Amino acid sequence: QTVVTQEPSLTVSPGGTVTLTCASSTGAVTSGYYPNWFQQKPGQAPRALIYSTSNKHSWTPARFSGSLLGGKAALTLSGVQPEDEAEYYCLLYYGGAQPFVFGTGTKVTVL
Amino acid sequence: EVQLVESGGGLVQPGRSLRLSCAASGFTFDDYAMHWVRQAPGKGLEWVSGISWNSGSIGYADSVKGRFTISRDNAKNSLYLQMNSLRAEDTALYYCAKDIHPDYCSGGSHTFQHWGQGTLVTVSS
Repeated sequence: QTVVTQEPSLTVSPGGTVTLTCASSTGAVTSGYYPNWFQQKPGQAPRALIYSTSNKHSWTPARFSGSLLGGKAALTLSGVQPEDEAEYYCLLYYGGAQPFVFGTGTKVTVL
Repeated sequence: EVQLVESGGGLVQPGRSLRLSCAASGFTFDDYAMHWVRQAPGKGLEWVSGISWNSGSIGYADSVKGRFTISRDNAKNSLYLQMNSLRAEDTALYYCAKDIHPDYCSGGSHTFQHWGQGTLVTVSS
């Protein structure tokens, strides 16, 4: 069973920068996994932020950016705002019978 | 404005069935694949099932294969999930989500671009 692992929690100061990562149990994450990133605040549905590694949706704030870093997918938040406090999930595409696997999630605290 | 509104959740006994619906508006429904994603209380997200624009391609997570059936009615702009033989571990908030691709599993770029607010399914005796 494929497992996609994220940091359980990260803390960042307002105005600071934080990088979340997303690792696959099958090996290095490449662009062929079309990494996605979602933000979920308590009591709300997830909101799409990034797709295909680094593409932003029209509503994605400029301070969010996606990349590949050291064999993992990465989401960087630059100039963090208090409203960025949330759970963040990555999603990788594997194709085949189980094409989509979400990461374990990272809780980002802005303190 | 894209809107996805799920309904049909509730409390159901183990072994029974439930049918979820997702009413879509604000976009050309039959241009896009659709998915169901669930989230158990206090847990992470789990992809459940996906269906292509014309129902020609369908997929399920191993955890629900053989028990759940996804379908869509493009004339009614609606997505469905028939859930049979429900188990306690199926207890979750079920979201429908719109893809950016017409095929649910194409080998190309996918994203769950828009999400509904979810409908809660509780399986308990």
